[in-house]
Amino acid sequence: GAGVSQSPSNKVTEKGKDVELRCDPISGHTALYWYRQRLGQGLEFLIYFQGNSAPDKSGLPSDRFSAERTGESVSTLTIQRTQQEDSAVYLCASSLFSGGTGTEAFFGQGTRLTVV
Amino acid sequence: TQLLEQSPQFLSIQEGENLTVYCNSSSVFSSLQWYRQEPGEGPVLLVTVVTGGEVKKLKRLTFQFGDARKDSSLHITAAQPGDTGLYLCAGRDTGGFKTIFGAGTRLFVKA
Repeated sequence: GAGVSQSPSNKVTEKGKDVELRCDPISGHTALYWYRQRLGQGLEFLIYFQGNSAPDKSGLPSDRFSAERTGESVSTLTIQRTQQEDSAVYLCASSLFSGGTGTEAFFGQGTRLTVV
Repeated sequence: TQLLEQSPQFLSIQEGENLTVYCNSSSVFSSLQWYRQEPGEGPVLLVTVVTGGEVKKLKRLTFQFGDARKDSSLHITAAQPGDTGLYLCAGRDTGGFKTIFGAGTRLFVKA
């Protein structure tokens, strides 16, 4: 597709259930990021994938959070045993990897997760 | 851990006023970007600055990268209601890998 696509756009789940969020990056983009944005807040880094390298998971808030990416394609972010504090918009972004200089990160519209 | 601090967190001004928002860090970045985010949308890139001391202009917006590449500012001249949004700075570390974001400055321009 032309841009980063995320699904679902909205998800309401019951506390304790698992959820899976999907991100389709721009074709050819080797870098993929997941961020969390709570209402009225900035972006909180969760995880970063770069090609086939080991992902940088330093932002994942707990072991209930995990993410996978196959090669340079789709990524899924899984939250197990969801808690109300997990309610937020989860944003995915992809970019070209340029080895040091800035390149634009293209964002999806996010998945709004509400845990009730 | 690299951190980007933005100030002010919130700014409400009248149409026609000028404003400056700041992005500061104790870390050096290979480049710094400014994004704007509108409600219900993902952030969209405004500018990338790479060279220490660099100044870039985008219509009424002026962006500056600090000489030491640790800080940046965004100046808006004669703000308009259409400038309303969340302004985020983002730094790419010197290893060229991860991009981290500041918490943002939420700007509201009243007509």
